[in-house]
Amino acid sequence: GAVVSQHPSWVICKSGTSVKIECRSLDFQATTMFWYRQFPKQSLMLMATSNEGSKATYEQGVEKDKFLINHASLTLSTLTVTSAHPEDSSFYICSAGLRGPETQYFGPGTRLLVL
Amino acid sequence: KQEVTQIPAALSVPEGENLVLNCSFTDSAIYNLQWFRQDPGKGLTSLLLIQSSQREQTSGRLNASLDKSSGRSTLYIAASQPGDSATYLCAVSGYGNNRLAFGKGNQVVVIP
Repeated sequence: GAVVSQHPSWVICKSGTSVKIECRSLDFQATTMFWYRQFPKQSLMLMATSNEGSKATYEQGVEKDKFLINHASLTLSTLTVTSAHPEDSSFYICSAGLRGPETQYFGPGTRLLVL
Repeated sequence: KQEVTQIPAALSVPEGENLVLNCSFTDSAIYNLQWFRQDPGKGLTSLLLIQSSQREQTSGRLNASLDKSSGRSTLYIAASQPGDSATYLCAVSGYGNNRLAFGKGNQVVVIP
């Protein structure tokens, strides 16, 4: 149980285009979803926290207009990287959590390469 | 702001040796601490979760200890195997939220 999927697993795009990444909790309803970014040999950095039906809470330094997060249902959250630039190339990982215990279940990640 | 440090950043050991990975955190007011495994280009697999009231957790060859007052945790992997080669991440969560603060990881290579 507690499986989280991400789609796509990797994407290559041209600079200036927008890319949407989906995060789904397959066998449970997630009240909270988290988006992380990981650069090579670096730790996971929390970008934003989203609760179903409400606006996402962004971490300091993360541009909310550039990284659009939608959490439309209890099983789906999307991250859209708008007007992507090469410096946005990274590994994006989502996680889904249940209300109460601080347990998060992580997706397999999406590797984004912006040319 | 919680800062999580993992030492050493990388290590190589011959197969069969025991592994000792260290994690330290600056704010001792944590709710729990988790150890994850990450293979190259992959997501995270949770290995052990220690609640703040606990001192250790064990799963098979893995044992994690927690000393909250000193802000430290240690992950022991007994009789290492080549399949244990991966990056091990330590993460702590605070009270009242689900936010995790991660270390940079211990990159482990077990040499056959």
